[in-house]
Amino acid sequence: GEDVEQSLFLSVREGDSSVINCTYTDSSSTYLYWYKQEPGAGLQLLTYIFSNMDMKQDQRLTVLLNKKDKHLSLRIADTQTGDSAIYFCAEGDMRFGAGTRLTVKP
Amino acid sequence: EAQVTQNPRYLITVTGKKLTVTCSQNMNHEYMSWYRQDPGLGLRQIYYSMNVEVTDKGDVPEGYKVSRKEKRNFPLILESPSPNQTSLYFCASSPGTGGGFELFFGSGTQLSVL
Repeated sequence: GEDVEQSLFLSVREGDSSVINCTYTDSSSTYLYWYKQEPGAGLQLLTYIFSNMDMKQDQRLTVLLNKKDKHLSLRIADTQTGDSAIYFCAEGDMRFGAGTRLTVKP
Repeated sequence: EAQVTQNPRYLITVTGKKLTVTCSQNMNHEYMSWYRQDPGLGLRQIYYSMNVEVTDKGDVPEGYKVSRKEKRNFPLILESPSPNQTSLYFCASSPGTGGGFELFFGSGTQLSVL
């Protein structure tokens, strides 16, 4: 089947930028998503990007899409301790990556 | 409040004892889905439903059953649970499919099968 891959862990200092990367294999995906899971909770949609875009910015979040390389990234500017969570990349038919656990150190 | 409600939040059972995890949504969504979350594997889809009386297998359907008799409810049934079904389960719903639709998740059910 098609795979969505992410690194499992990322640790940054408060105030730094975080970049979470994702690769996918289904080139027909029209939408790609980032979901956030806080401890003890379900996933919540953070942002999404349409496949004909290469960048989307929403406040502290920037999504970059390289369709040729099937690479998606999520950049969080000025990362705060409240951003500590697991971040999931998902492609159009809701196939999810394994999730990247972001730890923000004060 | 718009939400997806799963029950129970925690469940400990023994091998072979049938159980049902309930899922209900109050947003009149057509699409509902079940996932299991395991460390290092992320979310894997078990079953999904595009509408009432329409269900389809996801990536890991073995050992599970579902039903969709009403639009709001989508229970997950384990007829004979086994220890490898110990996992964190999530129900989700969406207004539709085909892209651009947000999945709304329940809070999860942590199942332990002894």
